[in-house]
Formats: sequence, C-alpha cells, structure tokens
Amino acid sequence: GAGVSQSPRYKVAKRGQDVALRCDPISGHVSLFWYQQALGQGPEFLTYFQNEAQLDKSGLPSDRFFAERPEGSVSTLKIQRTQQEDSAVYLCASSLQRDPFQETQYFGPGTRLLVL
Amino acid sequence: LAKTTQPISMDSYEGQEVNITCSHNNIATNDYITWYQQFPSQGPRFIIQGYKTKVTNEVASLFIPADRKSSTLSLPRVSLSDTAVYYCPNAGNNRKLIWGLGTSLAVNP
Repeated sequence: GAGVSQSPRYKVAKRGQDVALRCDPISGHVSLFWYQQALGQGPEFLTYFQNEAQLDKSGLPSDRFFAERPEGSVSTLKIQRTQQEDSAVYLCASSLQRDPFQETQYFGPGTRLLVL
Repeated sequence: LAKTTQPISMDSYEGQEVNITCSHNNIATNDYITWYQQFPSQGPRFIIQGYKTKVTNEVASLFIPADRKSSTLSLPRVSLSDTAVYYCPNAGNNRKLIWGLGTSLAVNP
C-alpha cells in the first residue's frame, strides 16, 4: 500500500514569500504529525492532529506557521513571509491510532525548503 | 523533561555486531521504546519497538532491562547499507516525542 507522501519534495522560496507544504498520510491513519529537521539535527516536533483536530501546536516556531487538516486526511503546513531560518526539511508522519507514544510513526520523505 | 541520551556517532566494520544504547531516565509507565533509522534525504523509518525484556525481528534485536531506564539496539552482522542515523525518541513532559541528535553509525568495508 501507499506510504506517506509529501509534496513538493524541494522548494526554493525568496525571503518574504509564502509557501504551502502538503502531506498525504496513510489512508485511515488517525494521527498526523509535522516535524522540522535542520541539517545534522533530529526531527523537532511542530504540531499534531488527531483526525481534523489540531491537538498540539506548541512546537510551531512563530505565528507565521500554520497547519490544517480540514477533513482529517490531507494536511497542509503553511509558512507565511518565509525567513532564512525557516530553511530545513519538513517531515510529516502518521500513525494508526490515537496514542502516538505507543505506536509506530510512518514518515514521508520530507520537503526540503530553502529560503534565499 | 524526558531526555534521550545516546552516543553521537559510532564506527564499525562490515560483518560486526553493533550495539547502540539509549537512556530513558524519565520514561512513562505506559510508553513503549521505539527505534528508528534515517538515511540521507529520507524520513525516519521504524526498526523495532518493545516494552520490556527482549524483542527480535528480521533486522534487529532490542534489549530493555527491568527498570526500563535504558535500551540497547543490536544490529547483527552490519553491512554498508546499515550506515545511517539511529534514533530512540522519548516522550517529553508535554507528550511530544523528543528525538535528539541520534547516533550516526558508519559501517566501513
């Protein structure tokens, strides 16, 4: 079956531009996570959805970051007025049930964002 | 704050067994311990998960002592393709997974 997919795989943005990153989780997966991974670092939590409800957005670095999952499947991470420090790989993961700490997370390949 | 501690890097040779240990000083009673592998330009991939004692699958073994304060990932007879970063994320106080820097394993010919 299909895994988690993300698009685009690469995005180059000019400073100040808005970007939208898409995640298609595994069909039927309840939980969806967004992570930010800087070069040489581990993934850093951004936000978490359970179906369409955003239960935790405490990891979003600023109010320029916004995520949604309106129908409980596809999710979009939007970054407004991009800054150079936003350059990173953005990873999406999904898991089947409601407890992300007892379950495997399945990751997409990530979107590499470069802000010039 | 739950903190994951594992070696930053390890070196090995093809055919050797590699053991990577992770500390879980503040693991919650109901949390499982999960290890992931990440290759460059890919997302992390599940390797193995356990709660206590020993778990084995087709790619690795996981040893968890009774106090669950640590875990050891064992990779038997590594090959060049096992060169990757290995993570043992822990759940922080706010129930977010904390991944840390992982262990960068280099397998040499």
